[in-house]
Amino acid sequence: SAVISQKPSRDICQRGTSLTIQCQVDSQVTMMFWYRQQPGQSLTLIATANQGSEATYESGFVIDKFPISRPNLTFSTLTVSNMSPEDSSIYLCSVLAGTDTQYFGPGTRLTVL
Amino acid sequence: QKEVEQNSGPLSVPEGAIASLNCTYSDRGSQSFFWYRQYSGKSPELIMSIYSNGDKEDGRFTAQLNKASQYVSLLIRDSQPSDSATYLCAVPTGGGNKLTFGTGTQLKVEL
Repeated sequence: SAVISQKPSRDICQRGTSLTIQCQVDSQVTMMFWYRQQPGQSLTLIATANQGSEATYESGFVIDKFPISRPNLTFSTLTVSNMSPEDSSIYLCSVLAGTDTQYFGPGTRLTVL
Repeated sequence: QKEVEQNSGPLSVPEGAIASLNCTYSDRGSQSFFWYRQYSGKSPELIMSIYSNGDKEDGRFTAQLNKASQYVSLLIRDSQPSDSATYLCAVPTGGGNKLTFGTGTQLKVEL
Protein backbone atom coordinates (compact mmCIF):
# COMPACT_ATOMS: atom_id res chain seq x y z
CA SER A 1 0.00 0.00 0.00
CA ALA A 2 1.05 3.62 -0.53
CA VAL A 3 2.50 5.78 2.23
CA ILE A 4 0.36 8.87 2.60
CA SER A 5 1.10 11.95 4.67
CA GLN A 6 -1.03 14.96 5.48
CA LYS A 7 -0.16 18.38 6.79
CA PRO A 8 -1.11 19.79 9.18
CA SER A 9 -2.16 16.93 11.43
CA ARG A 10 -4.38 19.30 13.37
CA ASP A 11 -5.18 22.97 13.57
CA ILE A 12 -7.37 25.40 15.44
CA CYS A 13 -8.63 28.26 13.31
CA GLN A 14 -10.75 31.34 13.69
CA ARG A 15 -14.04 31.63 11.84
CA GLY A 16 -13.81 33.44 8.53
CA THR A 17 -10.27 32.26 7.81
CA SER A 18 -9.09 29.57 5.39
CA LEU A 19 -6.89 26.53 5.84
CA THR A 20 -5.05 24.55 3.18
CA ILE A 21 -4.45 20.88 3.85
CA GLN A 22 -1.74 19.04 1.95
CA CYS A 23 -1.72 15.38 0.98
CA GLN A 24 1.47 13.72 -0.25
CA VAL A 25 1.82 10.12 -1.42
CA ASP A 26 5.08 8.27 -1.97
CA SER A 27 4.19 6.92 -5.40
CA GLN A 28 2.26 8.09 -8.41
CA VAL A 29 -1.44 7.37 -8.17
CA THR A 30 -4.20 7.89 -10.66
CA MET A 31 -6.91 9.02 -8.29
CA MET A 32 -6.97 10.96 -5.04
CA PHE A 33 -10.01 11.72 -2.95
CA TRP A 34 -10.92 14.07 -0.13
CA TYR A 35 -13.33 13.03 2.62
CA ARG A 36 -14.80 14.72 5.64
CA GLN A 37 -15.62 12.98 8.89
CA GLN A 38 -17.68 15.11 11.23
CA PRO A 39 -17.64 14.31 14.95
CA GLY A 40 -19.26 10.95 15.63
CA GLN A 41 -20.10 10.46 11.97
CA SER A 42 -18.91 8.30 9.12
CA LEU A 43 -16.93 9.45 6.12
CA THR A 44 -18.46 11.63 3.41
CA LEU A 45 -16.76 12.15 0.07
CA ILE A 46 -16.12 15.80 -0.72
CA ALA A 47 -14.53 15.47 -4.14
CA THR A 48 -12.27 13.54 -6.44
CA ALA A 49 -9.03 15.37 -7.16
CA ASN A 50 -8.24 15.04 -10.86
CA GLN A 51 -4.71 15.57 -12.08
CA GLY A 52 -4.58 18.34 -14.65
CA SER A 53 -8.24 19.26 -14.46
CA GLU A 54 -10.85 20.56 -12.08
CA ALA A 55 -11.93 18.42 -9.17
CA THR A 56 -15.23 16.58 -9.30
CA TYR A 57 -17.41 17.58 -6.36
CA GLU A 58 -20.13 15.58 -4.67
CA SER A 59 -23.59 16.91 -4.03
CA GLY A 60 -23.50 19.47 -1.25
CA PHE A 61 -19.90 20.50 -1.77
CA VAL A 62 -18.80 23.40 -3.96
CA ILE A 63 -15.53 24.62 -5.35
CA ASP A 64 -15.77 28.06 -3.76
CA LYS A 65 -15.91 26.50 -0.30
CA PHE A 66 -13.50 23.60 -0.90
CA PRO A 67 -11.06 24.46 -3.68
CA ILE A 68 -8.81 21.55 -4.57
CA SER A 69 -5.55 21.39 -6.46
CA ARG A 70 -3.83 18.35 -7.97
CA PRO A 71 -0.68 19.59 -9.67
CA ASN A 72 0.86 16.12 -10.14
CA LEU A 73 0.30 12.43 -9.48
CA THR A 74 1.66 12.47 -5.92
CA PHE A 75 0.23 15.62 -4.36
CA SER A 76 -3.06 17.36 -3.71
CA THR A 77 -4.37 20.17 -1.54
CA LEU A 78 -7.79 20.89 -0.10
CA THR A 79 -8.63 24.38 1.12
CA VAL A 80 -11.45 24.96 3.56
CA SER A 81 -12.50 28.54 2.90
CA ASN A 82 -14.29 31.10 5.03
CA MET A 83 -14.53 28.62 7.87
CA SER A 84 -17.33 28.39 10.40
CA PRO A 85 -17.62 26.13 13.46
CA GLU A 86 -19.67 23.70 11.32
CA ASP A 87 -16.49 22.97 9.36
CA SER A 88 -14.89 21.42 12.42
CA SER A 89 -14.15 17.91 11.24
CA ILE A 90 -11.46 15.46 10.34
CA TYR A 91 -10.41 15.84 6.72
CA LEU A 92 -8.94 12.77 5.08
CA CYS A 93 -7.29 12.22 1.77
CA SER A 94 -7.23 8.81 0.17
CA VAL A 95 -5.55 7.32 -2.87
CA LEU A 96 -6.64 4.63 -5.24
CA ALA A 97 -4.30 1.65 -5.36
CA GLY A 98 -4.89 -0.87 -8.10
CA THR A 99 -8.33 -0.72 -9.63
CA ASP A 100 -10.60 -0.15 -6.66
CA THR A 101 -8.83 -0.15 -3.29
CA GLN A 102 -8.47 3.08 -1.34
CA TYR A 103 -5.96 3.82 1.37
CA PHE A 104 -6.28 6.75 3.71
CA GLY A 105 -3.89 9.33 5.00
CA PRO A 106 -3.66 10.03 8.73
CA GLY A 107 -6.17 12.88 8.55
CA THR A 108 -6.24 16.53 9.57
CA ARG A 109 -8.27 17.41 12.65
CA LEU A 110 -9.70 20.90 12.22
CA THR A 111 -11.35 22.91 14.97
CA VAL A 112 -12.97 26.22 14.07
CA LEU A 113 -13.67 28.66 16.89
CA GLN B 1 -33.10 3.58 2.06
CA LYS B 2 -29.47 4.40 2.76
CA GLU B 3 -26.98 3.09 0.27
CA VAL B 4 -24.91 1.31 2.90
CA GLU B 5 -26.34 0.40 6.29
CA GLN B 6 -24.75 -0.88 9.45
CA ASN B 7 -25.89 -1.17 13.05
CA SER B 8 -24.09 1.53 14.97
CA GLY B 9 -23.68 -0.61 18.08
CA PRO B 10 -21.93 -0.71 20.37
CA LEU B 11 -21.49 -4.43 19.94
CA SER B 12 -19.94 -5.90 23.04
CA VAL B 13 -18.32 -9.33 23.01
CA PRO B 14 -16.15 -11.09 25.57
CA GLU B 15 -12.51 -11.70 24.83
CA GLY B 16 -12.04 -14.88 22.79
CA ALA B 17 -15.54 -14.81 21.32
CA ILE B 18 -16.55 -14.35 17.69
CA ALA B 19 -17.67 -10.85 16.74
CA SER B 20 -20.10 -10.63 13.84
CA LEU B 21 -20.53 -7.35 12.01
CA ASN B 22 -23.11 -6.89 9.31
CA CYS B 23 -23.65 -4.51 6.42
CA THR B 24 -26.36 -4.22 3.78
CA TYR B 25 -26.16 -2.25 0.56
CA SER B 26 -28.68 -1.05 -1.98
CA ASP B 27 -26.78 -1.02 -5.28
CA ARG B 28 -27.25 -4.45 -6.87
CA GLY B 29 -24.51 -3.63 -9.36
CA SER B 30 -21.82 -3.35 -6.70
CA GLN B 31 -18.94 -5.69 -7.36
CA SER B 32 -16.48 -4.97 -4.59
CA PHE B 33 -16.83 -4.53 -0.86
CA PHE B 34 -14.46 -3.29 1.78
CA TRP B 35 -14.11 -3.40 5.54
CA TYR B 36 -12.11 -0.69 7.28
CA ARG B 37 -11.17 -0.53 10.92
CA GLN B 38 -10.94 2.86 12.61
CA TYR B 39 -9.49 3.32 16.04
CA SER B 40 -10.57 6.38 17.95
CA GLY B 41 -8.68 9.42 16.71
CA LYS B 42 -7.12 7.53 13.81
CA SER B 43 -7.86 7.21 10.12
CA PRO B 44 -9.56 4.17 8.56
CA GLU B 45 -7.36 1.16 7.89
CA LEU B 46 -8.30 -1.37 5.24
CA ILE B 47 -8.60 -4.86 6.69
CA MET B 48 -10.57 -6.87 4.13
CA SER B 49 -11.89 -6.71 0.62
CA ILE B 50 -14.22 -9.21 -1.01
CA TYR B 51 -15.49 -9.54 -4.54
CA SER B 52 -17.13 -12.96 -4.88
CA ASN B 53 -20.00 -14.64 -3.11
CA GLY B 54 -18.94 -16.79 -0.21
CA ASP B 55 -16.25 -16.47 2.41
CA LYS B 56 -12.79 -14.95 2.34
CA GLU B 57 -10.49 -15.60 5.26
CA ASP B 58 -7.44 -13.63 6.37
CA GLY B 59 -6.07 -14.64 9.72
CA ARG B 60 -8.73 -14.09 12.38
CA PHE B 61 -10.91 -12.17 9.94
CA THR B 62 -13.50 -13.67 7.60
CA ALA B 63 -15.55 -11.60 5.18
CA GLN B 64 -18.77 -13.10 3.88
CA LEU B 65 -20.62 -11.86 0.82
CA ASN B 66 -24.13 -12.66 -0.35
CA LYS B 67 -24.94 -10.61 -3.44
CA ALA B 68 -28.45 -12.04 -3.81
CA SER B 69 -29.35 -10.78 -0.33
CA GLN B 70 -27.15 -7.70 -0.68
CA TYR B 71 -25.26 -8.12 2.51
CA VAL B 72 -21.66 -8.42 3.51
CA SER B 73 -20.44 -9.39 6.94
CA LEU B 74 -17.18 -9.49 8.86
CA LEU B 75 -16.42 -12.15 11.44
CA ILE B 76 -13.60 -11.68 13.90
CA ARG B 77 -12.58 -14.89 15.62
CA ASP B 78 -10.86 -15.03 19.00
CA SER B 79 -11.68 -11.36 19.59
CA GLN B 80 -9.05 -9.38 21.46
CA PRO B 81 -9.32 -6.08 23.34
CA SER B 82 -7.13 -4.61 20.58
CA ASP B 83 -9.98 -5.30 18.15
CA SER B 84 -12.07 -2.67 19.93
CA ALA B 85 -12.68 -0.08 17.23
CA THR B 86 -15.30 1.12 14.77
CA TYR B 87 -15.67 -1.07 11.70
CA LEU B 88 -16.75 0.65 8.52
CA CYS B 89 -18.31 -1.09 5.55
CA ALA B 90 -17.63 0.62 2.22
CA VAL B 91 -19.05 -0.01 -1.22
CA PRO B 92 -18.17 1.71 -4.51
CA THR B 93 -21.23 3.51 -5.82
CA GLY B 94 -22.13 5.53 -8.85
CA GLY B 95 -20.33 3.20 -11.20
CA GLY B 96 -16.88 4.55 -10.39
CA ASN B 97 -14.33 4.36 -7.61
CA LYS B 98 -16.17 6.60 -5.17
CA LEU B 99 -16.74 4.82 -1.88
CA THR B 100 -19.91 5.13 0.13
CA PHE B 101 -19.42 4.27 3.77
CA GLY B 102 -21.83 2.91 6.27
CA THR B 103 -22.14 4.66 9.61
CA GLY B 104 -19.85 2.08 11.19
CA THR B 105 -20.32 -0.41 14.00
CA GLN B 106 -18.49 0.19 17.25
CA LEU B 107 -17.06 -3.04 18.62
CA LYS B 108 -16.03 -3.41 22.25
CA VAL B 109 -14.15 -6.50 23.29
CA GLU B 110 -14.34 -6.92 27.02
CA LEU B 111 -11.91 -8.75 29.28
